[in-house]
Amino acid sequence: DVKVTQSSRYLVKRTGEKVFLECVQDMDHENMFWYRQDPGLGLRLIYFSYDVKMKEKGDIPEGYSVSREKKERFSLILESASTNQTSMYLCASSLAGLTYEQYFGPGTRLTVT
Amino acid sequence: GDSVTQMEGPVTLSEEAFLTINCTYTATGYPSLFWYVQYPGEGLQLLLKATKADDKGSNKGFEATYRKETTSFHLEKGSVQVSDSAVYFCALSDSGGGADGLTFGKGTHLIIQP
Repeated sequence: DVKVTQSSRYLVKRTGEKVFLECVQDMDHENMFWYRQDPGLGLRLIYFSYDVKMKEKGDIPEGYSVSREKKERFSLILESASTNQTSMYLCASSLAGLTYEQYFGPGTRLTVT
Repeated sequence: GDSVTQMEGPVTLSEEAFLTINCTYTATGYPSLFWYVQYPGEGLQLLLKATKADDKGSNKGFEATYRKETTSFHLEKGSVQVSDSAVYFCALSDSGGGADGLTFGKGTHLIIQP
């Protein structure tokens, strides 16, 4: 089974802090994704990566950056956390190709106070 | 741009009832379509998929048929169980081979009462 793990299930940070969310997948997938999930808004794509050191902006990249130094690891960085970044963050991975399926981690619920 | 519209709920049904969750989409190309399910406290799991018109995806008693003429991918199950209580997301991929993320609907919260 594909396994996608996220470093924390729950995280509480203060406004202005730098926050790192880590995601690791164990199936040698080329693609990795970061989404945020908010009530009434569903899932929105923040960033994705199709290869090591490659990244592309998603629909809502403002206030976020990412890092992919190794194929299995994809980090989401909040340079200066704000209260409007309080959300559930979901990481996913998939194989490359026309038809693909994304495998999700359990999510990190981040609260910024 | 691409979009997915689904009924938001909550949808409350009794056990053994018939389930339909409507999903319609807008896409510029020829998307693949998916239903994902999120059980309480967990991440999303792929439930079923269809990659071309008239394909039927099925899994765990759930079915959905890719209807290009009505741009729909409605989820159905003949007899729901309490364990089916979850949030269901319709999604599409219109990446044409690229690595774009999925476009999701807002999710439908399904509650099954014993």
